[in-house]
Amino acid sequence: KQEVTQIPAALSVPEGENLVLNCSFTDSAIYNLQWFRQDPGKGLTSLLLIQSSQREQTSGRLNASLDKSSGRSTLYIAASQPGDSATYLCAVVDNTDKLIFGTGTRLQVFP
Amino acid sequence: DTAVSQTPKYLVTQMGNDKSIKCEQNLGHDTMYWYKQDSKKFLKIMFSYNNKELIINETVPNRFSPKSPDKAHLNLHINSLELGDSAVYFCASSHTSGAYNEQFFGPGTRLTVL
Repeated sequence: KQEVTQIPAALSVPEGENLVLNCSFTDSAIYNLQWFRQDPGKGLTSLLLIQSSQREQTSGRLNASLDKSSGRSTLYIAASQPGDSATYLCAVVDNTDKLIFGTGTRLQVFP
Repeated sequence: DTAVSQTPKYLVTQMGNDKSIKCEQNLGHDTMYWYKQDSKKFLKIMFSYNNKELIINETVPNRFSPKSPDKAHLNLHINSLELGDSAVYFCASSHTSGAYNEQFFGPGTRLTVL
């Protein structure tokens, strides 16, 4: 059974820091991995999708990497800003096409 | 130009009532999903439909019945509501399956059962 874990559960940093959020999954048989952002009381916004054959994806200040064999992904946020404050969720599409979510990392960036 | 929309945004009701949540996507996607986010903020898939056909049913009580009148709509009907049904329900859609299965989510419906 696929399980997705995110570390840390919460993170509070000053503005301008570079951050790394971690995601691990127990079964490497995945189709892809997706990073989402969820603001309080809001829906999920898709940030990046990495297909299982890819190693990384970049969008602006965000870079996500995937090491499928070791069951890990990292989301790198460069030069963090207060507007980056949100919960970040990682999710994998397993081999039955189900999206399995991680436990989330709650990020606060203070000015 | 909302991509995935849900109504209502908030729903407060009494135990034992029957309620429906509607979802529509204008992305031209073939697959739609319902997810439940519990009080601990954990998100779990409930159902998925592809071209109006049920694909995934994750051992959800049969009080929950999804209905897909066409591939742009997936509604969720809940009978005999219980306290434990209180959660945020998210609808999502995707164009295809497998490696290209990128899902886009609606804003959520917060259901409170009293």
